[in-house]
Amino acid sequence: ETGVTQTPRHLVMGMTNKKSLKCEQHLGHNAMYWYKQSAKKPLELMFVYSLEERVENNSVPSRFSPECPNSSHLFLHLHTLQPEDSALYLCASSQDGGQGASEQFFGPGTRLTVL
Amino acid sequence: QQQVKQSPQSLIVQKGGISIINCAYENTAFDYFPWYQQFPGKGPALLIAIRPDVSEKKEGRFTISFNKSAKQFSLHIMDSQPGDSATYFCAASSASNYQLIWGAGTKLIIKP
Repeated sequence: ETGVTQTPRHLVMGMTNKKSLKCEQHLGHNAMYWYKQSAKKPLELMFVYSLEERVENNSVPSRFSPECPNSSHLFLHLHTLQPEDSALYLCASSQDGGQGASEQFFGPGTRLTVL
Repeated sequence: QQQVKQSPQSLIVQKGGISIINCAYENTAFDYFPWYQQFPGKGPALLIAIRPDVSEKKEGRFTISFNKSAKQFSLHIMDSQPGDSATYFCAASSASNYQLIWGAGTKLIIKP
C-alpha cells in the first residue's frame, strides 16, 4: 500500500450505532488530519494530530472521538450520530516542519450515511 | 477574516479554452496559497502553490496569478482538456498556523 488509505470506503449506520473509521499513512509523515467534506462547502478541519498529540479540535461534537495510537494510524470513533453528519470524511497527512502549512496528502475518504 | 471566498461554484469550458477560477481572502497574514484538484472518488491532491513573494507561478498548463494588494489569487488552466474535469479548491494559511483555510470549491467541466 502506498500513500494514505482509508477504510471502509462506504458506511451506512443508524443513529444508535457505534462505528470507527480507520486511516493509515505510508509516507512517514508526523501529522495527520480528519476533515469533513459536505457538498458545496469548504473542507471542515475536525482534528489534527502532530507527533501523535492532538493539537487541534475545531469545536467538533463529542459524538466524534479521534484516536492516534502512532504516527501512521488515525481513527475516528463514531457514536449516536445525526443525519446531518452524513458526509465524506477525509483523512490527510503531512510532514509538519513547524513553519506553517505544508503539502497535505489525502486518502480517498469514507462516504458516511447516517439513517 | 479567516474565510477564503472562491468563485465560480461551477464552470463549463470548451476543450482547448482557458479555465479561470478566482479566490479572495481578508487575512493579510496569509502567506501560502495552494490549489488542490479532486477527482470523483478521490481525495484532493496538491496541484500548484504560490507564496506572496512572486506574482505568478506556472507549471505546465496551470498558472497561479497572485495580486497581493487586491488580496486575490486565481488559477488559470490553459488549453483545457476533458481530463481536467474535476473540483478545484483554493486554500490559504499563515506561517503562524499550519491550518489550511479552504475555499468552497469549483466544479469544472471541460466539454469535448
